[in-house]
Amino acid sequence: QVQLRESGPGLVRPSETLSLTCSVSDYSISTGHYWGWIRQSPGKGLEWIGCIFHSGVTHYSPSLKGRVAILVDTTKNEFSLKLTSVTAADTAVYYCARHMVRGVVYPDFWGQGTLVTVSS
Amino acid sequence: QSVLAQPPSVSGAPGQRVTISCSGSGSNIGAGYDVHWYQHLPGTAPKLLIYGNTNRPSGVPDRFSGSKSGASASLAITGLQAEDEADYYCQSFDLSLSVVFGGGTKLTVL
Repeated sequence: QVQLRESGPGLVRPSETLSLTCSVSDYSISTGHYWGWIRQSPGKGLEWIGCIFHSGVTHYSPSLKGRVAILVDTTKNEFSLKLTSVTAADTAVYYCARHMVRGVVYPDFWGQGTLVTVSS
Repeated sequence: QSVLAQPPSVSGAPGQRVTISCSGSGSNIGAGYDVHWYQHLPGTAPKLLIYGNTNRPSGVPDRFSGSKSGASASLAITGLQAEDEADYYCQSFDLSLSVVFGGGTKLTVL
């Protein structure tokens, strides 16, 4: 069964870039599927950020497009998230997840999440 | 406000049946896009419960079932157990917003 684990700084300064990595084990990213990120702000629901195919094809949420980039490194079997110009509104638990395709994508296996706080 | 509307909370006694609704519109569920359901205990990885409106992944008990009609969907849990106490989210696709989630429903087992 695929395992995903998020890692990265827990504190980011306003206006800087949030960078997270998702390490995938017991499954090769190159096999297929999309790989993406979802976040949950304190006291709020889930918000989809975007996903990437192993070939590098990406899909992003329209609300974050322009600030977000998802990259994949098949040699390390990991993918990453970069979110620029962060504000306090970007404070959230960030989850990485494998995505299935059934017409459109949906996450099936998720990591446990990592809290990122944006504060000076 | 989430694009997919869910009740903030539902509750039921052990052994009872509860349902959680997910109301969308013509640009998402009503446009024919699938609905998926997740169970989330805070501090843990969300778990896929139902995919493609009605299908259960391997390992999910048949006490959990999903349905879809028009622009709405529902998750039903029968034989309620204490371990079912969690947050539940529906998810679909919206023509303008891409992948969207409901606001979540907190299930309390009395």
